[in-house]
Amino acid sequence: RKEVEQDPGPFNVPEGATVAFNCTYSNSASQSFFWYRQDCRKEPKLLMSVYSSGNEDGRFTAQLNRASQYISLLIRDSKLSDSATYLCVVNGMDSSYKLIFGSGTRLLVRP
Amino acid sequence: NAGVTQTPKFQVLKTGQSMTLQCAQDMNHEYMSWYRQDPGMGLRLIHYSVGAGITDQGEVPNGYNVSRSTTEDFPLRLLSAAPSQTSVYFCASSYVGGGYTFGSGTRLTVV
Repeated sequence: RKEVEQDPGPFNVPEGATVAFNCTYSNSASQSFFWYRQDCRKEPKLLMSVYSSGNEDGRFTAQLNRASQYISLLIRDSKLSDSATYLCVVNGMDSSYKLIFGSGTRLLVRP
Repeated sequence: NAGVTQTPKFQVLKTGQSMTLQCAQDMNHEYMSWYRQDPGMGLRLIHYSVGAGITDQGEVPNGYNVSRSTTEDFPLRLLSAAPSQTSVYFCASSYVGGGYTFGSGTRLTVV
């Protein structure tokens, strides 16, 4: 089983739609959770950290479910500029430094 | 505020040549790491370091060496380039428990 698993997509949605991605992780002791965004041929960029109580940043909401070991990202009112690959990231079993990256979920927002 | 700086941005090598990819960060981060990303694939960890003088292997270390003589710099050396090492290389840094900041990448082609 992979340490971090994501549906690769692509999710193809119209502008204005709400879309949600889930990600599961295998290490029940993980403490650090993030969502990154990666545009084609560019470096990954931190979108948001994920906190136990859930958190929101504008149109983006992240939630953590420790019991079921998954995190989610909800994007409301999708924009064309949201088209990208979204990476789920969790700290590894042997280190609070080492982050494990999922393979990403691709989002395409169409006009 | 430079963040993480990688040089060069592009490089073409002949099989068997050696070279060093440079990575420098100005955020006083303890942790630095190198990833490679092949087309359509996720990030794979090559080597990482939790501080000056300390390095360790990731999941794909063969053919690469690293050293960490200062907090700021973490060069990646390709010992004898092979076509299988054609990839995009990303350097990242973080403080403990934090998200990674990535450099803009080095696109390496080995012919």
